[in-house]
Amino acid sequence: AQSVTQLGSHVSVSEGALVLLRCNYSSSVPPYLFWYVQYPNQGLQLLLKYTTGATLVKGINGFEAEFKKSETSFHLTKPSAHMSDAAEYFCAVILDYKLSFGAGTTVTVRA
Amino acid sequence: GAVVSQHPSRVICKSGTSVKIECRSLDFQATTMFWYRQFPKQSLMLMATSNEGSKATYEQGVEKDKFLINHASLTLSTLTVTSAHPEDSSFYICSADGDRRAPDTQYFGPGTRLTVL
Repeated sequence: AQSVTQLGSHVSVSEGALVLLRCNYSSSVPPYLFWYVQYPNQGLQLLLKYTTGATLVKGINGFEAEFKKSETSFHLTKPSAHMSDAAEYFCAVILDYKLSFGAGTTVTVRA
Repeated sequence: GAVVSQHPSRVICKSGTSVKIECRSLDFQATTMFWYRQFPKQSLMLMATSNEGSKATYEQGVEKDKFLINHASLTLSTLTVTSAHPEDSSFYICSADGDRRAPDTQYFGPGTRLTVL
């Protein structure tokens, strides 16, 4: 079985500061991992994904994530936060051909 | 690319009526479509998985007679909430998989806010 755990339901950062969102997974097979972002009253937008190959994955809007098998982690980072990054972020893993989501992390950005 | 649309974006209906929500993949053929429900401040809960031309597979605890899903073509799936009640009020989101440019990736629609009075 596979599942994801997002550490921290709420993260607050200053504009220009590093954004770090933590995601750990449990999996008995090599995982396919995803990060999605959701703005208020909208659907989910794919930020990036890891399937195979390079473990450092670059996504849209300056985000990137690194797959670390030894730590069973797939943390999302952005070097410099922008006000427009305020949103809900979901980590997800493929489980039986279906997405299993973490509980989500709300990001607020302080001016 | 990989655009998924939903219609309507918002609907208000009276208790006891039925509501249909459409989900379309605009620039690819979706082999599989998924329907999710999201409560405020919570994650997405998968309701059902549908493949074109076959019956939907519902998750445990989801009433298939309450939430009717039809996947008539490779670009359209519909969710009908039958005899809606206030407890059915929620945010419903669909997603589609099958874009050959991005295998094993679900693309999400913008969601439909259902309010049952």
